[in-house]
Amino acid sequence: QVHLVQSGAEVKKPGSSVKVSCKASGGTFNSLTIAWVRQAPGQGFEWMGRIITIFGTTHYAQNFQDRAILTADKSTSTAYMELRRLRFEDTGVYYCATIFRAPSGSFGFDSWGQGALVTVSS
Amino acid sequence: DIQMTQSPSSLSASVGDRVTITCRASETVDIYLNWYQQKAGVAPKLLIYDASTLQSGVPSRFSGSGSGTHFTLTISGLQPEDFATYYCQQTYSSPPWTFGQGTKVEVK
Repeated sequence: QVHLVQSGAEVKKPGSSVKVSCKASGGTFNSLTIAWVRQAPGQGFEWMGRIITIFGTTHYAQNFQDRAILTADKSTSTAYMELRRLRFEDTGVYYCATIFRAPSGSFGFDSWGQGALVTVSS
Repeated sequence: DIQMTQSPSSLSASVGDRVTITCRASETVDIYLNWYQQKAGVAPKLLIYDASTLQSGVPSRFSGSGSGTHFTLTISGLQPEDFATYYCQQTYSSPPWTFGQGTKVEVK
């Protein structure tokens, strides 16, 4: 199973940007589709988007379409999530996860990074 | 977007109890329904996909059922390590693949 290790906690000011990394090991990076989800304090999960690493193809949730950028560096087996124009309400834990496809055609998130806490504070 | 609603939002149970959590979708998601377990401060773990298929390594006391818009997660014989928050997620059609708000299983 793929092992994902994310970058550490960040404190950012409103209006700035943050870039979270997600390094994969134990699998073939080019075969991965990586999702990003956010968990606000004490809340559930919010889908941000996904990237198909072999093609660099991305899909964003509408709420993040204008501010999030997902990229993947095949040379280092690392995916990145950059969020721009940060707001106080962007505070939360950001997770990367690999998406697997079941024989039925459905999808699930089977490996997760440990999460990266981003705090937006003035 | 498809809305996922879990009930209850929390429950109290004892070791050995049978626990059932419900997840309802605002429209059909066929069987494309996953269940995750999250312990405090830790990333979630996939328990069940396709509504009822156990992920490798997940104990058989966990089971899932349902299709369409109504799903259940059952823990038969709650163990100390099962006290956690459980989330459902639909992966029907195109993203966003939405999650329920979670059900916290606490010690009675």
